[in-house]
Amino acid sequence: DVKVTQSSRYLVKRTGEKVFLECVQDMDHENMFWYRQDPGLGLRLIYFSYDVKMKEKGDIPEGYSVSREKKERFSLILESASTNQTSMYLCASRRSLGGKNIQYFGAGTRLSVL
Amino acid sequence: GNSVTQMEGPVTLSEEAFLTINCTYTATGYPSLFWYVQYPGEGLQLLLKATKADDKGSNKGFEATYRKETTSFHLEKGSVQVSDSAVYFCALITGNQFYFGTGTSLTVIP
Repeated sequence: DVKVTQSSRYLVKRTGEKVFLECVQDMDHENMFWYRQDPGLGLRLIYFSYDVKMKEKGDIPEGYSVSREKKERFSLILESASTNQTSMYLCASRRSLGGKNIQYFGAGTRLSVL
Repeated sequence: GNSVTQMEGPVTLSEEAFLTINCTYTATGYPSLFWYVQYPGEGLQLLLKATKADDKGSNKGFEATYRKETTSFHLEKGSVQVSDSAVYFCALITGNQFYFGTGTSLTVIP
């Protein structure tokens, strides 16, 4: 069965801390994505990656960075967490070709920044 | 540009009621269309999809038909259950990019 695993379901951090959100997929997918989900705003794309060591900015990259050193792992980094980054973060992956364009999601990480 | 617009919630229905959640889209090219569902405390799961005009996607009693003439992909179910309570997202993919609607929260009461 397809699996996208996010390392934490809940995180509480303090303002100014460096925060790492980890995501691993076991489907050998080329594409991986980070979204944040906020009430009334739906899903907004932060960053995505088409391949190892490649990254592209999404719609709201400010205050975030990413790392993709291995194909199966895509990390989201908050260099200095702020209260407006309190949100639900969703990781997703998708095959580039021949995958019927289905995007698979992790269970989400609910981050609170105090 | 590309975008998805879905009806605002929340929607509250009694068990066995008929459900419609409206979704319209704007897209360049020939998008594939999707409905995803998010149960409480979980990530998004694919509910159904349609890849071309007049295709009907169906799953778990839910249906949606790809209507190119009205650029719509409305989600329907004839008789909802309490277990259908969730947030429903309409989405499209064109090029290599997904676009999601803002989600519609559905609560089904016994």
